[in-house]
Amino acid sequence: EAGVTQFPSHSVIEKGQTVTLRCDPISGHDNLYWYRRVMGKEIKFLLHFVKESKQDESGMPNNRFLAERTGGTYSTLKVQPAELEDSGVYFCASSQRTDTQYFGPGTRLTVL
Amino acid sequence: DQQVKQNSPSLSVQEGRISILNCDYTNSMFDYFLWYKKYPAEGPTFLISISSIKDKNEDGRFTVFLNKSAKHLSLHIVPSQPGDSAVYFCAANGLLGGTSYGKLTFGQGTILTVHP
Repeated sequence: EAGVTQFPSHSVIEKGQTVTLRCDPISGHDNLYWYRRVMGKEIKFLLHFVKESKQDESGMPNNRFLAERTGGTYSTLKVQPAELEDSGVYFCASSQRTDTQYFGPGTRLTVL
Repeated sequence: DQQVKQNSPSLSVQEGRISILNCDYTNSMFDYFLWYKKYPAEGPTFLISISSIKDKNEDGRFTVFLNKSAKHLSLHIVPSQPGDSAVYFCAANGLLGGTSYGKLTFGQGTILTVHP
């Protein structure tokens, strides 16, 4: 069974540009989460989808971040316009129920 | 406000000995706890979990202990192996109004190094 996949693995962009990250959850997992780890600190929650609906977006930093999950399958996280402080590793996770979450390899975003 | 804390940034252990990683939490609404292991350039890998109705859960070399009154949990690895060297994250989940709210709250991580 394929795990959670994320694309791209790395992205380097200039401040003010737009970047879109993609996450494909484990097949059959209705719950999809986005997390971020900045500068080697703790992994912080961004938001939670149940199928295509946003269940909890309390961790989204500001309105420059937009997450979508059309059709309840894969999800995208768009940052527009990107700022220096958005640099970090963005992890996606999925779960069948809201207990054990399985993480993807992450997308390392560098904003210059 | 750090609701989950791993106060030891690093731990060094000899191969074959026991590794004990500790985690404290402050939010009494947390009722499900997980440990993840993370290698460089990879995502966190689920290791073991425990529900608040238990005080111990064991899976092979890994055992998690939960002390609810102290709001403390620990991960024991016996015997430790060099391949266990990684960053270990403690995470907590909980109930809000009777429904699991899904999001995990993580500690800062502990770097475990197991020497041959």
